[in-house]
This record gives sequence, C-alpha cells and structure tokens, in this order.
Amino acid sequence: GAGVSQSPSNKVTEKGKDVELRCDPISGHTALYWYRQSLGQGLEFLIYFQGNSAPDKSGLPSDRFSAERTGGSVSTLTIQRTQQEDSAVYLCASSPGVHNEQFFGPGTRLTVL
Amino acid sequence: GQNIDQPTEMTATEGAIVQINCTYQTSGFNGLFWYQQHAGEAPTFLSYNVLDGLEEKGRFSSFLSRSKGYSYLLLKELQMKDSASYLCAVRDPDSWGKLQFGAGTQVVVTP
Repeated sequence: GAGVSQSPSNKVTEKGKDVELRCDPISGHTALYWYRQSLGQGLEFLIYFQGNSAPDKSGLPSDRFSAERTGGSVSTLTIQRTQQEDSAVYLCASSPGVHNEQFFGPGTRLTVL
Repeated sequence: GQNIDQPTEMTATEGAIVQINCTYQTSGFNGLFWYQQHAGEAPTFLSYNVLDGLEEKGRFSSFLSRSKGYSYLLLKELQMKDSASYLCAVRDPDSWGKLQFGAGTQVVVTP
C-alpha cells in the first residue's frame, strides 16, 4: 500500500507483559514519528527519527518505553512491563523530511488489562 | 513547553460556516498545522501556516497571527462528512520533528 501501515491494529495484553508495536512508513520517507492518543485527548508526542537516529525522544513517558528504527524504514515501539495507564491508541507518522507535513498510519489500539 | 487551547466542541448546520480558534503560548514559533480526524481514523493533514495571514484551500482556510499567538480554521459550505475532530498543532521551535497538539475540537454538522 501507499500509506503508513501499523501492526497489530489491536493488541490486548495483561499488565506486566511486554508489547511490540510496528510501523512501516511510506517508502522514501526519512522521518518517522510516534504519538499516542488516549480517549478524548489530543495526540501526545513520544519520539521521532531522522533516518535511524532519534534526535528527540523527550516524549517517552518512562524507561519502560523504547523505540528503534532499522534500515531507515521500519520502526518498532516497545513497552516493557505494561501498565493499565499505557492503554491508548499508538499512532505512527512519516514524512519526506522533518520540514514536511506528517502522514499518519491507522494506529494500534493497545488495551492493558 | 507550549500551551495550545481550542474549544472542545462546536455544532453547525449543513451549508453554514464554522470557525475553529486555536491559541498557543510558545517561547518561539516554527509553524502551525491543522489536521482532521474522523472517529476511529488517522489524522489527515489540512493546512500549514508559518507566516501571518490567510491560506485558502477550497472550502477550508487557515489564518495565523504570530504576534497574537492565534490561528483559526474556517470551514465553509459545511457538509455532513465534515463532522470530525479538528486538531491544532504547533511545531516545537527547538525540535523540528516534534509537534504539540491541542486536545481537538469536535465539530458536529447537523442537517
């Protein structure tokens, strides 16, 4: 497909388990972004990548959250020892460069029981 | 940090005009975006303003006043499909890839 894709679309996990969320950006986009959106809230910035480097990871809520990007393409957001407050929709976006508008994927809805 | 305020909800009639205001407080300014988000879907880009003035794009226009820390999104000739949340976002002046979003304005279009 031509757009940003994310997997899984839905993830239900138990408190304390680790989860991995995947993002496939639009081909050729060098910048990649992670946000999360809680019910009725705006988007909360987590981290962004320029190539494989993360110039700004200031939005990661705690050291349980980490993200990596390999080959300048796919990115994985990992949440260790999940907590109920981690429940949210995790959105990924990409752009040709950081100066351009961001194109969003459909998100992964994470529910921590 | 950047405080971004926008109304929670607005209701308007099909065919009418609605103006969604967004105010922000920043230590610097590096551009403002408007996105549309239908329920359960991804946000989609509507407009970008970095200089003062009005940017028109079909039925949608966006205005910026940097001195007032103020923007608005104007939706004309409202259609039912315009019912959605409209998100105002400001780019961090020190981090080009970081957007800070407002909580969104839910627009309800009634027949």
